[in-house]
Order: sequence, then structure tokens, then C-alpha cells
Amino acid sequence: DAKTTQPTSMDCAEGRAANLPCNHSTISGNEYVYWYRQIHSQGPQYIIHGLKNNETNEMASLIITEDRKSSTLILPHATLRDTAVYYCIVGTSGTYKYIFGTGTRLKVLA
Amino acid sequence: NAGVMQNPRHLVRRRGQEARLRCSPMKGHSHVYWYRQLPEEGLKFMVYLQKENIIDESGMPKERFSAEFPKEGPSILRIQQVVRGDSAAYFCASSPSSGRAGADTQYFGPGTRLTVL
Repeated sequence: DAKTTQPTSMDCAEGRAANLPCNHSTISGNEYVYWYRQIHSQGPQYIIHGLKNNETNEMASLIITEDRKSSTLILPHATLRDTAVYYCIVGTSGTYKYIFGTGTRLKVLA
Repeated sequence: NAGVMQNPRHLVRRRGQEARLRCSPMKGHSHVYWYRQLPEEGLKFMVYLQKENIIDESGMPKERFSAEFPKEGPSILRIQQVVRGDSAAYFCASSPSSGRAGADTQYFGPGTRLTVL
């Protein structure tokens, strides 16, 4: 069973920031938060991961609350090509059995 | 630096035939994972392999499915006597190692879409 909860769908205007929330209230101290996205029917694409500190890379930023029970993936300037299903996954450094829930279907609108 | 490669990208089989799906991990990666995605569903873990070893096959159906990752060559997911319910997208992922903090992020291939007629 998925250990994360995400909204089913979201819309975002092109050029605006897309903020995708994820609840992981049962996360344990050594579990990371990973984000992937799946564009159309392609293979999932790794976006970012973090443990407790906020993280940023060329694709996105990850904000993790202090109690680590939730996080937000931020795409700072969404484009039409960011339309995809976004998955939030939690696991320890040794986790290999990723559990993909239903994810959030993000639609970026022109 | 080539990513994870899978072939074929599309495979059509008739009921009762065999399907062989191949996965070449990223350079330097020694861990391979297979997932299956049914239409309109999320990916489901099937099996985790290291070179010449099956580490965890808890997600594999008990019959007709097998996987290997030989010392040389790609990883193979084999489905014998396919049935219509096997129609799905099969994704392979690879990682450089497992156990080190954050070092086992999985990188996915483009998938093989199996259609059973």
C-alpha cells in the first residue's frame, strides 16, 4: 500500500509556479522523499529527493516540513512540457521496492 | 552517457507465445528492477536483480514469469505462454548501488509495451 497521499489532479497556468503537495504522515526518521514524473506513457523520470532539508536542482525545489509529515514539489515556471503525472515516494536509503500510488495529474494550461 | 535502454519498445504476441523483454542498465549500474504498469494504474514492483542474482522477486507472478541478469549482457524478463492479461507496459530501472544514503535512486527506461492478441 502506498504510504503517501497526493491530490488526484491539478491545473497550473503556463509560466506560473506549480506547487504539488504530498502527505507522508507515517514517514520514519530514515526515510527519504523521492519525486518522479511520468510524461504521457514514458518511463518515470527522476526529479529530486530529500531527507529533511529543502533541496533544489535544475528541475525543481523540494520543501519538506519540519515534522517531515508532508512535502511540496515546486516547479518554479511551469511549461506545457511539464504536463505529467507526478509521483511522491518514500523509502529508506536501502529501499528498492518503490511504491507508486496514483500520483497527481498536473495539467499546465496555455 | 546513455540512459537505461529497453527493447523492443513495442511487442505483439499471440496467446500462448513467449515474450522476452530486454533491459540494459545505465553504465556503472549493477542493480536492475522491473515494474509493470497496467492501463490507468501506477507502476507495480516485480523483481530486483543484481548481476547473476535475484534479490527479491516478491512482485512476480508465481507462474510463467522469470527474470535474469547474467554476468554479461542485458537483463531479461521472460513471460511464457502469454495471456491477454499480460498486456501492459513493462519498465526497467537501474541504480548504481543500494544501501548508501541517496545513492540508490532508480533511473527508468522508456518501457516495453506488450500487447497480447
